[in-house]
Amino acid sequence: DTEVTQTPKHLVMGMTNKKSLKCEQHMGHRAMYWYKQKAKKPPELMFVYSYEKLSINESVPSRFSPECPNSSLLNLHLHALQPEDSALYLCASSHLKTRSSYNEQFFGPGTRLTVL
Amino acid sequence: SQQGEEDPQALSIQEGENATMNCSYKTSINNLQWYRQNSGRGLVHLILIRSNEREKHSGRLRVTLDTSKKSSSLLITASRAADTASYFCATDHSLQGGSAKLVFGKGTKLTVNP
Repeated sequence: DTEVTQTPKHLVMGMTNKKSLKCEQHMGHRAMYWYKQKAKKPPELMFVYSYEKLSINESVPSRFSPECPNSSLLNLHLHALQPEDSALYLCASSHLKTRSSYNEQFFGPGTRLTVL
Repeated sequence: SQQGEEDPQALSIQEGENATMNCSYKTSINNLQWYRQNSGRGLVHLILIRSNEREKHSGRLRVTLDTSKKSSSLLITASRAADTASYFCATDHSLQGGSAKLVFGKGTKLTVNP
């Protein structure tokens, strides 16, 4: 299984809602990532998990709360979002780099989020 | 922060022609990767070139890397309508613990007309 799955595909939420994005992979990858991509822009890194522990938070507002409950799952909890948070949210995973390997990241199809 | 700058921003060609996309970056790198993204979908890894490599081939793809100029190019030969997509270069920055931060360029939107 070389696939990263993300649910839901589309999400519309109000500014007072709480919702969660889910990501799953079964490739044995121990690094998982959340990226945000605005229209016609490249993806930008939000969070990195390594061995299920948060290793990087790219100064993301606290209304985005990541969670990695196990080595296959990655969640992104959303609360009190703003309309400017509307974007495509991409999950990715990769093996951890060793001296002889490199980090090819496998991306999910993304969740298209619209905040009203 | 965006590291790579790609040109052209948009490229429209006829099926069968070659497409060349360029990428420039600012800092030293471990490797440089190219990804493809169909409209509004996830990214697919195409090819990785290490900092000590100058050229790499994979099927109809040819990637070059010039670390002295901090630039890379992606050539797609004999293009097909199915190659229509956005193409991003990404520099790979190692993080503690073995993960890596990818910093993407702005991307080139390629349209291949049948």
